[in-house]
Amino acid sequence: RKEVEQDPGPFNVPEGATVAFNCTYSNSASQSFFWYRQDCRKEPKLLMSVYSSGNEDGRFTAQLNRASQYISLLIRDSKLSDSATYLCVVNRPRSNDYKLSFGAGTTVTVRA
Amino acid sequence: GAGVSQSPRYKVAKRGRDVALRCDSISGHVTLYWYRQTLGQGSEVLTYSQSDAQRDKSGRPSGRFSAERPERSVSTLKIQRTEQGDSAVYLCASSLGGGTAYEQYFGPGTRLTVT
Repeated sequence: RKEVEQDPGPFNVPEGATVAFNCTYSNSASQSFFWYRQDCRKEPKLLMSVYSSGNEDGRFTAQLNRASQYISLLIRDSKLSDSATYLCVVNRPRSNDYKLSFGAGTTVTVRA
Repeated sequence: GAGVSQSPRYKVAKRGRDVALRCDSISGHVTLYWYRQTLGQGSEVLTYSQSDAQRDKSGRPSGRFSAERPERSVSTLKIQRTEQGDSAVYLCASSLGGGTAYEQYFGPGTRLTVT
């Protein structure tokens, strides 16, 4: 089983729509969760960390469900510039080991 | 300011040959990681190093992958006897510290194709 699994999409949405997607992680001991954004052939960039209580950053809302081992990302009022691949990232929990596991990504395309 | 850079951006190697990929991290960053990103499968960490360690702790059991850190902000990932399954994008990332509280900044990656 992969450490992090995501629906690859693509999610094609019109501008202004809301889009949401989840990812699941296999290691219940994971403690740190992130969403990264990656544009085509570019480097991944941190979008937001995901906290237990859920957190919001502008139009982006992230939620964590530890019991079911999934995190979600919701994008409201989507913009053309939101078109990208969103990577679900989870830390690999071992002492002194801060390596990250990435999902394969969810592709979002926002159309005019 | 300058981010993480990697070279070459694209590399084609014949199966069985050794390759070396370079990463220049952000000045002042302590921890450096190498990840392998495969289309449709996500990314896995290969090695990481903290501080000035010249030899990375390998996160991958295969002895074909190793990394050296000749300078604090430079790392070289070496892949010996390349296999076709090594074709992927190799991402380097660096962070100020060694915990997940420190954001990892990624380079643009080196796309390796093994023929």
